[in-house]
Amino acid sequence: SQQGEEDPQALSIQEGENATMNCSYKTSINNLQWYRQNSGRGLVHLILIRSNEREKHSGRLRVTLDTSKKSSSLLITASRAADTASYFCATDESKLTFGQGTILTVHP
Amino acid sequence: DAGVIQSPRHEVTEMGQEVTLRCKPISGHDYLFWYRQTMMRGLELLIYFNNNVPIDDSGMPEDRFSAKMPNASFSTLKIQPSEPRDSAVYFCASTEVLDTIYFGEGSWLTVV
Repeated sequence: SQQGEEDPQALSIQEGENATMNCSYKTSINNLQWYRQNSGRGLVHLILIRSNEREKHSGRLRVTLDTSKKSSSLLITASRAADTASYFCATDESKLTFGQGTILTVHP
Repeated sequence: DAGVIQSPRHEVTEMGQEVTLRCKPISGHDYLFWYRQTMMRGLELLIYFNNNVPIDDSGMPEDRFSAKMPNASFSTLKIQPSEPRDSAVYFCASTEVLDTIYFGEGSWLTVV
């Protein structure tokens, strides 16, 4: 399988802190996407970064992409309790298969 | 748009019974995916269709599982006979191109 692999598996922080999650993949890609899953719900698309981009912002989200290392990171700034969820990455080359995700817990 | 619609949302069935999960993708989306999510195995891609044609079914666990897409607005995932280890959340998802996937809310299956 060629899914993205997220790490860490779990991350626990306090409200207001920043949260950083990482994703590694195996093949050349055209784009990489980050998704969020709240407990008991389907995944929701957060942000997409293309292979010719190095960084992208959306609100409190910042995504970086290093194609030489085949890795990406998702930074959530000034986290809130409502950010508590699982976060997944996927690439177009993996036909959008997913890793195990990072479980983020933000404590109020 | 109503999004990807799955039914049933919850199903409890006895081992050996046939289970049929249904999905209506977003109109105009050419790709449809079926995923299965469990604590042990995470989110697994079972099969995906492009223009109603199955492209990759390598994730389908065994012959008890089958998926069809008779038209652009409907797909089914069938398990026959069902087993307790099939208990999971089954997600259907669709996309126009491979950059943003839209997921349904899932079908929670419990086989007892």
